[in-house]
Amino acid sequence: SQQGEEDPQALSIQEGENATMNCSYKTSINNLQWYRQNSGRGLVHLILIRSNEREKHSGRLRVTLDTSKKSSSLLITASRAADTASYFCATDGPSFGNEKLTFGTGTRLTIIP
Amino acid sequence: GAGVSQSPRYKVAKRGQDVALRCDPISGHVSLFWYQQALGQGPEFLTYFQNEAQLDKSGLPSDRFFAERPEGSVSTLKIQRTQQEDSAVYLCASSLMRRGVTGELFFGEGSRLTVL
Repeated sequence: SQQGEEDPQALSIQEGENATMNCSYKTSINNLQWYRQNSGRGLVHLILIRSNEREKHSGRLRVTLDTSKKSSSLLITASRAADTASYFCATDGPSFGNEKLTFGTGTRLTIIP
Repeated sequence: GAGVSQSPRYKVAKRGQDVALRCDPISGHVSLFWYQQALGQGPEFLTYFQNEAQLDKSGLPSDRFFAERPEGSVSTLKIQRTQQEDSAVYLCASSLMRRGVTGELFFGEGSRLTVL
């Protein structure tokens, strides 16, 4: 079963604009991760945020986490055509030692050149 | 190796045939995961190994699905008597993490199974 739900399901923006994707989940977590998947390829890890963190940055990526609302957002600034892909959030937990990641349904992002 | 390697990349099977999908994780990675991804969906967990021990197989959809990792390195996912609903991409991922420590997963390119 899917733990996370991404929103929107699909997003198209012009190159250079910022893209924001949201993820909601149901149970308590230890960590939340974001992954990218290009069409027909495997998933690539982008960023991990721990449950006691509220915000994290990596290059053009900014992730926020609100455990009280059980939600996270991924912001990609100054988008590029190469950012076109599907983006998934993934959570572990709730119990300590539950290492498997449960993935959301994904947001399909299209960057228009 | 440089990354997680999966084979075959594409497999077409007739309904009722058995298939075996192979995963070569990154050298030294302790943990190995199998996921199933239907078209347009997120990956769904199947099973998890730490070294040769299968610690969680709660996601295997039926007893037709079987996974092994006998020497704690290469893993094989076997599907017996394939059905059309087994058509999906099967993703393998490995990680350095040990039990109780969460980290990033490194995914292979996947094996796309089509059952006719």
